[in-house]
Amino acid sequence: GQQLNQSPQSMFIQEGEDVSMNCTSSSIFNTWLWYKQEPGEGPVLLIALYKAGELTSNGRLTAQFGITRKDSFLNISASIPSDVGIYFCGVYGGATNKLIFGTGTLLAVQP
Amino acid sequence: GAGVSQSPSNKVTEKGKDVELRCDPISGHTALYWYRQSLGQGLEFLIYFQGNSAPDKSGLPSDRFSAERTGGSVSTLTIQRTQQEDSAVYLCASSRILTGTEAFFGQGTRLTVV
Repeated sequence: GQQLNQSPQSMFIQEGEDVSMNCTSSSIFNTWLWYKQEPGEGPVLLIALYKAGELTSNGRLTAQFGITRKDSFLNISASIPSDVGIYFCGVYGGATNKLIFGTGTLLAVQP
Repeated sequence: GAGVSQSPSNKVTEKGKDVELRCDPISGHTALYWYRQSLGQGLEFLIYFQGNSAPDKSGLPSDRFSAERTGGSVSTLTIQRTQQEDSAVYLCASSRILTGTEAFFGQGTRLTVV
């Protein structure tokens, strides 16, 4: 089945640093979503990407939909402690176009 | 309500008992998903209801797991004869149209099988 390879698996950074994470696949997808999950909560949508090559920002977050439609990255600039959480990429795939997720990137920010 | 609502928020059950987990999606959302998240792990797809079409059950791990969606709204995930490996957070999400739009999650039900 389709798989999303998300990296890095975890990141431990200092407050103020920039962060970059990405998702890749061997299959083409037409929508990429980025979610953040904080402890004890459900994932919350950060950014949705619908067009190949699209670059979208949401505050300190920037995400891009790869031109090949097989990858996406998420950047966080000037990280702060509340950025801590698990970040997931998601795509619609399979015969029924169900929403599937990457394995997640755990982000820890040290003040 | 304005968001996806799941109940109970926590459930402790004895091994071998059946449990039912409930999801109230956002009003008007035609797509509904169930995922399982084990401790420190990712979001494992379980089942997907898409409007009036037959559900995609390809992620259900065994025949002890089943789900229904009544009237195109509320969904119930049932786990029969629970096992300790069923312990996890069960998350529900819904989206407005069948595919390609943002899905919104509930806060999950934390299931502990003792």
